[in-house]
Amino acid sequence: AQSVTQLGSHVSVSEGALVLLRCNYSSSVPPYLFWYVQYPNQGLQLLLKYTSAATLVKGINGFEAEFKKSETSFHLTKPSAHMSDAAEYFCAVSKGAAGNKLTFGGGTRVLVKP
Amino acid sequence: SAVISQKPSRDICQRGTSLTIQCQVDSQVTMMFWYRQQPGQSLTLIATANQGSEATYESGFVIDKFPISRPNLTFSTLTVSNMSPEDSSIYLCSVEDRGSSGRASSAKNIQYFGAGTRLSVL
Repeated sequence: AQSVTQLGSHVSVSEGALVLLRCNYSSSVPPYLFWYVQYPNQGLQLLLKYTSAATLVKGINGFEAEFKKSETSFHLTKPSAHMSDAAEYFCAVSKGAAGNKLTFGGGTRVLVKP
Repeated sequence: SAVISQKPSRDICQRGTSLTIQCQVDSQVTMMFWYRQQPGQSLTLIATANQGSEATYESGFVIDKFPISRPNLTFSTLTVSNMSPEDSSIYLCSVEDRGSSGRASSAKNIQYFGAGTRLSVL
């Protein structure tokens, strides 16, 4: 069974400050890991994915995430927050090529203060 | 990436009625998924819909409540039957991009989501 835990349901950052969203997973097989973003009244948009290649993954909008197997973590970062980053962020895990069901974390809502 | 259209984008329905949500994709895809996002919560997979076979439902979801059709490789519907206020949620469809080969691969193993259907049941 797979599970995802996102620490902190709400995060508040100042514009220009570092954004750090935490994600820890459990999986019985080598996982595929994803970060999605959901802007208000919209669907989910893929930010980035880890599929057993490079452990540091760069995504869209300046976001990146690092897969750390020893810590079972896949934290999302952005060096400098922008007002447009205000959204909800979801970490998700799948088993990879077979079964591709996504299991989502609870989500973290990011508020960016001017 | 696949472009996914969902209809309706939102609806307000009366208790006891049913609503059918449509999901249209601009390319042929093998696997389509239906998720529910209850207010203030994360996404939960309802079922996986493959063309030519019955949908596979997750624990806690049954076909009588959420019948799914998948008549071809670009279209699927989810019906929310005999609705109650507890069914008020966002319903999202997603598709898996397997690339032109049709086989899953690490480079293409991505799910793309529609904008969702926001359902309120009175």
